Amino acid sequence: DAGITQSPRYKITETGRQVTLMCHQTWSHSYMFWYRQDLGHGLRLIYYSAAADITDKGEVPDGYVVSRSKTENFPLTLESATRSQTSVYFCASTVGGPYGYTFGSGTRLTVV
Amino acid sequence: GESVGLHLPTLSVQEGDNSIINCAYSNSASDYFIWYKQESGKGPQFIIDIRSNMDKRQGQRVTVLLNKTVKHLSLQIAATQPGDSAVYFCAETGANSKLTFGKGITLSVRP
Repeated sequence: DAGITQSPRYKITETGRQVTLMCHQTWSHSYMFWYRQDLGHGLRLIYYSAAADITDKGEVPDGYVVSRSKTENFPLTLESATRSQTSVYFCASTVGGPYGYTFGSGTRLTVV
Repeated sequence: GESVGLHLPTLSVQEGDNSIINCAYSNSASDYFIWYKQESGKGPQFIIDIRSNMDKRQGQRVTVLLNKTVKHLSLQIAATQPGDSAVYFCAETGANSKLTFGKGITLSVRP
């Protein structure tokens, strides 16, 4: 189906473990983004990508790594998970500019 | 499950009344503003947008007002319905396509 999908939907991991959150979009949108959302806060940008092999830091990039080898995929890796990274993570994509920004359904990550 | 609206400011309105949700933005260079609605367990959904060269835009039951002088954005919802209950975020962006979100407001509609 067309759209933007995130997996897994829920994840529990232990402190210090590496975990990867997946994001896949079927529109061939150039831009992809990762946001985190914590209770009582809006969404904060972690990393974004303007095209395959082009990534850049957002507001809160520490502790995260991204890659974009293919236009449709934008995985987010927590190299050594910490409790402060417990959050809901949203992936988004857009063709470019402010139009057509679409969000995935989110991944709820708990680090214990 | 947990609500992302916990600890956010809450606006409570009677069903059928009009709602006004306000937002202050920070970047005077932003040229595009968007309102999103987020229901529990879902990602943000687009409601309406406005360019910086406009001061008002209307959609179906929603109106967005932009006051660049005081960097203020508002969302008006006419005849508020129970299905409008959600968290509402304003967001701003510019040429780099990055969205910067406000903290959000929970709208609660009383039957």
